[in-house]
Amino acid sequence: AQSVTQLGSHVSVSEGALVLLRCNYSSSVPPYLFWYVQYPNQGLQLLLKYTSAATLVKGINGFEAEFKKSETSFHLTKPSAHMSDAAEYFCAVSEGGGSYIPTFGRGTSLIVHP
Amino acid sequence: ETGVTQSPTHLIKTRGQQVTLRCSSQSGHNTVSWYQQALGQGPQFIFQYYREEENGRGNFPPRFSGLQFPNYSSELNVNALELDDSALYLCASSLGGVSGNTIYFGEGSWLTVV
Repeated sequence: AQSVTQLGSHVSVSEGALVLLRCNYSSSVPPYLFWYVQYPNQGLQLLLKYTSAATLVKGINGFEAEFKKSETSFHLTKPSAHMSDAAEYFCAVSEGGGSYIPTFGRGTSLIVHP
Repeated sequence: ETGVTQSPTHLIKTRGQQVTLRCSSQSGHNTVSWYQQALGQGPQFIFQYYREEENGRGNFPPRFSGLQFPNYSSELNVNALELDDSALYLCASSLGGVSGNTIYFGEGSWLTVV
């Protein structure tokens, strides 16, 4: 069975500081991993995804994530936070196969201070 | 803009009533999934339709049902509404049959049950 744990329901950073959002997964087979962002009153938008190619994945808006099999982690980072990055971030895992059904974490709210 | 549209955007229903939510998938996508997102939680998978057939179901009771039409649009029906059904309902479309394929979310339908 697949599952995702996002460490920290809230992360607070200053504008210009490093953003680090943590995600650990559990999967019985090599996983597909995703990060989504949700702005207030909107649906989810894909930031990036890992599908067994390069372990360092670059996404939109300057975000990137590194797949570490030994640590079962897929942490999301951004070198310099912008005020516009304030949103809810969701990590998701899929074990692939015929029906692609991802399992989502509970989300991490990113707060950016001026 | 993901090309996935949902209606209505907001609605209020009384406990015991029935509701139908609608979703138009992105052009060319043959797979539609529905998710329930309670306040402060990640999306929970309800079910998925692939070429008009249910292709996976999460841990939701039978009073949650759905349809997919020949044009791949979809409906989510919930009977005998309960207060705990109050949530954001998200529709997502994808091109099925390809593991790890990106799914695209609509902006959701906010359901309040009073």
